Amino acid sequence: DTEVTQTPKHLVMGMTNKKSLKCEQHMGHRAMYWYKQKAKKPPELMFVYSYEKLSINESVPSRFSPECPNSSLLNLHLHALQPEDSALYLCASSRKAGGGKNTEAFFGQGTRLTVV
Amino acid sequence: LAKTTQPISMDSYEGQEVNITCSHNNIATNDYITWYQQFPSQGPRFIIQGYKTKVTNEVASLFIPADRKSSTLSLPRVSLSDTAVYYCLVGDTAYSGAGSYQLTFGKGTKLSVIP
Repeated sequence: DTEVTQTPKHLVMGMTNKKSLKCEQHMGHRAMYWYKQKAKKPPELMFVYSYEKLSINESVPSRFSPECPNSSLLNLHLHALQPEDSALYLCASSRKAGGGKNTEAFFGQGTRLTVV
Repeated sequence: LAKTTQPISMDSYEGQEVNITCSHNNIATNDYITWYQQFPSQGPRFIIQGYKTKVTNEVASLFIPADRKSSTLSLPRVSLSDTAVYYCLVGDTAYSGAGSYQLTFGKGTKLSVIP
């Protein structure tokens, strides 16, 4: 199984809503990532978990709250988002963090988020 | 900190070989070079990874000169389905958490294959 599964595929939420994005992998990877991607732009790193511990938070606003309940799951909790937060949210995993030998990242198909 | 530089876009006819070059002047000794392909509204997909000289797999080749300050992704005989954005990243397995540049995507190269 070389898949990273993200749910839901699409999400529309109001600015006062609370919602969560979910990501799951069963490849035994110990690094997991959240990226945000706006149209025609490269993926932008948000958070990195390494061995279930948050190792990087790229100055992401607190309305985005990551959680890694175990080595296979990664959540992104959303609260009080703004319309400019509408984007494709991508989850990825790799054997280890860092991008070195044999640590290529496997990406999910993303969640298309629209904030209204 | 910009880690990699690539051409913004390239056009190619079907059946031609396409070479996309990435500049990484500040590559560190332990860094590997990894290329990803991304189609619209999908997550990036790993293509190939290398450290030096030449690496080949079933979809592409990666050429890395001795100084490792650049790399070239070679796609043989492209088809319309190769139209995508291609990203090169450099990173190190000995990740200390001190910086996130290893995991940062540059602007990428948009390849358009023309019939």
